Parts: sequence; C-alpha cells; structure tokens
Amino acid sequence: DVKVTQSSRYLVKRTGEKVFLECVQDMDHENMFWYRQDPGLGLRLIYFSYDVKMKEKGDIPEGYSVSREKKERFSLILESASTNQTSMYLCATTGRGPYGYTFGSGTRLTVV
Amino acid sequence: AQSVTQPDIHITVSEGASLELRCNYSYGATPYLFWYVQSPGQGLQLLLKYFSGDTLVQGIKGFEAEFKRSQSSFNLRKPSVHWSDAAEYFCAVVSGAGSYQLTFGKGTKLSVIP
Repeated sequence: DVKVTQSSRYLVKRTGEKVFLECVQDMDHENMFWYRQDPGLGLRLIYFSYDVKMKEKGDIPEGYSVSREKKERFSLILESASTNQTSMYLCATTGRGPYGYTFGSGTRLTVV
Repeated sequence: AQSVTQPDIHITVSEGASLELRCNYSYGATPYLFWYVQSPGQGLQLLLKYFSGDTLVQGIKGFEAEFKRSQSSFNLRKPSVHWSDAAEYFCAVVSGAGSYQLTFGKGTKLSVIP
C-alpha cells in the first residue's frame, strides 16, 4: 500500500512565523496535492505538483507556496502565518492517472 | 468549472435504518467520481469509485453508489447503518484533463442513533 506521511500531526505557530508542512510518499507517484479542510467548506485545493520542480496553483493559493525538490517530498510553506490559516492540512498523492488517491493523516495547524 | 454539491450538511439515522447520501456534480465530460469517509480525527478513506461501466458500484463496509448521468448524481447508499458508520462523508470528482485534481463537496456529517 502507498504510504503518505505528514511530518506533524499537530502544530502551533505564532502569527508571522514561516511554517513548513512536509509530506513524503513512498510509491514513486508523480502527482502530489495539498488541501486544507475547514468545517462546512470541505477540502479545498491549495497547490499541486505533477513532477519534480513543477507546481500549479489550486483554488486557494494565496498566502502559500510549495516546494518539490525530490519526487517523494512535497512541502507546503506558509510564508508569514496568519490566524486565518488555522486549519487541517491534508496531503494526497496519485500515480499516472486519477485511479488511486492516498491521503496522509493530516496536520492540524493552529496559528496564535 | 466543475463542482460537487452535497445538499445535506447533517443527517441523523437510527442504527439498522437505511441510508442515502446525495451527491450532484457539474462536469462536462464523463466524470471520475469518488466517495470518501472521514472518522473523527482521522484521514480520508476511500469507500468506492466510479470510472466507467456498470453504474452501480460496490465499495467497502457495505456501501454502494449509483451513477446516474441523466441526473448528474452519484448517491451513496447502505441498506443497514451501524453505529460505527458515524463519520463525515465526502463526494469528489476528478477535474482538469491530465491534472487529476480532486474537487470535493462540502461533506455530509452522519450521526447514528443507537
């Protein structure tokens, strides 16, 4: 089975800090995604990547950036954390086709 | 742009009763459709998916879903609900040719009365 590991389960950061959320997958998948999940809003796509060093904006990229230097790792960066970025962040991956998405367990980020 | 609508925010059913969760999508081409479940504090687990072929799809945990192109719907059903089915359920569609982005509905929270 594909395993998607998010480095932190819970994270508390201060307003203005630079925050890194890490996601690692172990199955050589091309496509990786970052979503945020908020009550009543479902999951919304922040950024995705279909190859190393490639990235595309999703529906809500403002305030975020991403990095994909290696195929297995996709990092989400909050350049200057704000309280409205308090949320659950989920990483997902799929291979060559939309046939099998695997999600990480999520990182619950609180910005104070 | 593609979208997914789950009309019911919260549904409560009695244990042993039947369940139907509604999902409508807006997408021009033949969609790839998914249902996920999320238990409290957990990640997303795939229940079932539809790509083509038989419009009635069987999934895990006794769930099934039926794709109806004429109604743009992909409703999730279970004949007899168990207390452990209490969770949040998300319908999703793949969008964007070649990009494989999943677009999610806002979710339906299921409560089960013993």
